[in-house]
Amino acid sequence: DIQMTQSPSSLSASLGDRVTITCQAYQDISSSLNWYQQKPGKAPKLLIYGASNLETGVPSRFSGSGSGTYFTFTINSLQPADFATYYCQQYDSFPWTFGQGTKVEIK
Amino acid sequence: EVQLVESGGGLVQPGGSLRLACAASGFTFSSYSMNWVRQAPGKGPEWLSYISHRSRTIYYGDSVKGRFTISRDDAKKSLYLQMNSLRAEDTAMYYCALLAAAGHGVDYWGQGTPVTVSS
Repeated sequence: DIQMTQSPSSLSASLGDRVTITCQAYQDISSSLNWYQQKPGKAPKLLIYGASNLETGVPSRFSGSGSGTYFTFTINSLQPADFATYYCQQYDSFPWTFGQGTKVEIK
Repeated sequence: EVQLVESGGGLVQPGGSLRLACAASGFTFSSYSMNWVRQAPGKGPEWLSYISHRSRTIYYGDSVKGRFTISRDDAKKSLYLQMNSLRAEDTAMYYCALLAAAGHGVDYWGQGTPVTVSS
């Protein structure tokens, strides 16, 4: 199984801040990585697919980059709706695996 | 509008069984692969199982292999998860999901159905 390690596990930030989350894969997964946002009581929502592609309808302040084993997810100018938990997910090979999550909280 | 509606969750004793169902609408169900994903309280999502269109390819996560069985009925536009030999650690919200990871460019999740395994 491909282990995904996300960091940090949580962070506190202010409105307007730039936030960066990293995700490392135990082995090369090319660009087979998605980023999800999850709010309490809701299912995860896809934001970024293929490591760097913005899902339709997702604000452009969200972005992703990386390939191979190291990936980053950035929120530019943090908005109130962005306080949530974020997960990376690899789909290079089965079993598909998620990172442990990064909770973004209000400072 | 794509809709995925899970049912069948509930309270079950350790060692027991449950069958989850997912009713799909708003898309050509038979053309898409489907998945089950679960999320234990306070934890991240855990992908459980994948079934291709026409049920030709099936995969399971290690934690459920040999205990859970995924299936689909395209005529009824429904996805199922038969869960046997349930354990306390299977307690979670179970989601039916059409995942972008499968390569078809869309990503939809149901609202989930809760499963509690406890005596």
